[in-house]
Amino acid sequence: DVKVTQSSRYLVKRTGEKVFLECVQDMDHENMFWYRQDPGLGLRLIYFSYDVKMKEKGDIPEGYSVSREKKERFSLILESASTNQTSMYLCASSLPGASEQYFGPGTRLTVT
Amino acid sequence: RKEVEQDPGPFNVPEGATVAFNCTYSNSASQSFFWYRQDCRKEPKLLMSVYSSGNEDGRFTAQLNRASQYISLLIRDSKLSDSATYLCVVNKGGYQKVTFGIGTKLQVIP
Repeated sequence: DVKVTQSSRYLVKRTGEKVFLECVQDMDHENMFWYRQDPGLGLRLIYFSYDVKMKEKGDIPEGYSVSREKKERFSLILESASTNQTSMYLCASSLPGASEQYFGPGTRLTVT
Repeated sequence: RKEVEQDPGPFNVPEGATVAFNCTYSNSASQSFFWYRQDCRKEPKLLMSVYSSGNEDGRFTAQLNRASQYISLLIRDSKLSDSATYLCVVNKGGYQKVTFGIGTKLQVIP
């Protein structure tokens, strides 16, 4: 059974803190994605990686960075968390091409 | 114009009803289309891909209209378990990235 896991389901951080969100997939997928989901705005792509050490900016990369040192792991980093980064963060993985994406359960991040 | 537009609903329908959702997209070069389903407080999961010739999976039928740039999802004989948000997904014209619509919420009522 395919699986994408995320390090935390709920996270509360203070403004200015550095935040790491981890995502691991066990399907040997090349592509990995980080989205945030907000009411009325849907899922918006933050960053995308199509191979180890390769990344591309999505639609809303400002305030975020990513790291992909191993194929199975894709990390999202908030260098200095702000309240407008309070959101649900979803990681996904897929085979190459615009194919089915498999999502993790999400991390609800609250920045106070 | 948004890349992908959906009516957020909610659509409240009685059990057994037929309901249809449309989704319009702006990039005429888009080649891949999908419907995902997202249950409350859960992650999205693929419901079905949408092919040029249309496709059917049980009570669900998906169609693509390239001329008018929209895709549709038809659900027949609605069940209570169909209550969810349905997300329209379109690729960015040949790139590996896709754009998600905001979703259409369906509530099936007993």
